[in-house]
Amino acid sequence: SYVLTQAPSVSVAPGKTARITCGGNNIETKNVHWYQQKPGQAPVLVIYYDSDRPSGIPDRFSGSNSGNTATLTISRVEAGDEADYYCQVWDSVSDDPVFGGGTKLTVL
Amino acid sequence: QITLKESGPTLVKPTQTLTLTCTFADLSLSTSGVGVGWIRQPPGKAPEWLAAIYWDDDKRYGPSLKSRLTITKDTSKNQVVLTMTNMDPVDTATYYCVHVRGVRRIYFDYWGQGTLVTVSS
Repeated sequence: SYVLTQAPSVSVAPGKTARITCGGNNIETKNVHWYQQKPGQAPVLVIYYDSDRPSGIPDRFSGSNSGNTATLTISRVEAGDEADYYCQVWDSVSDDPVFGGGTKLTVL
Repeated sequence: QITLKESGPTLVKPTQTLTLTCTFADLSLSTSGVGVGWIRQPPGKAPEWLAAIYWDDDKRYGPSLKSRLTITKDTSKNQVVLTMTNMDPVDTATYYCVHVRGVRRIYFDYWGQGTLVTVSS
């Protein structure tokens, strides 16, 4: 099945920009969705179809997808952004959704 | 605002069958295009898609657990039920009910709060 690769952890200072990547073979041909999960809570969709934001998600969150890497960018990072972030795509070969292993964002 | 809530046992014994119910609001599985599914997440690990059911009773199952899963719906009660047979300690996880967007190229825009199921004798 299709494999999505995420770095286990990313650290960023408050006010700076965090970039969380999701690697996959020719991922640019797929739609990538991103979820934020804070400790003890259910995941929340923050980006869908590569770069669309659900209502209620701050415009500090943005997404892009090119080549073999999709990127979730969080601008002006706040302490409240500290969470695990998961990418997800649809694997057209297996006909199943697939999640990346997740990246823990730490706000220094 | 769509809401989903999971219910079921918090503890099951190995080899038993797990039955989980998802009760949802502001959503109808009799409406074209609507889907509800299940995702689980073992402690400290990534989510894993399990199954989905759609308004037309189309059912989809994740490949790794397909033989152990059954998903059904009760449209009149706004409920979806997932059964998983032959439970094992490795099935210990938080189980989430989700609203499924799309039939293919799907994603999940609403999640229930989740229910932790522990498998232990």
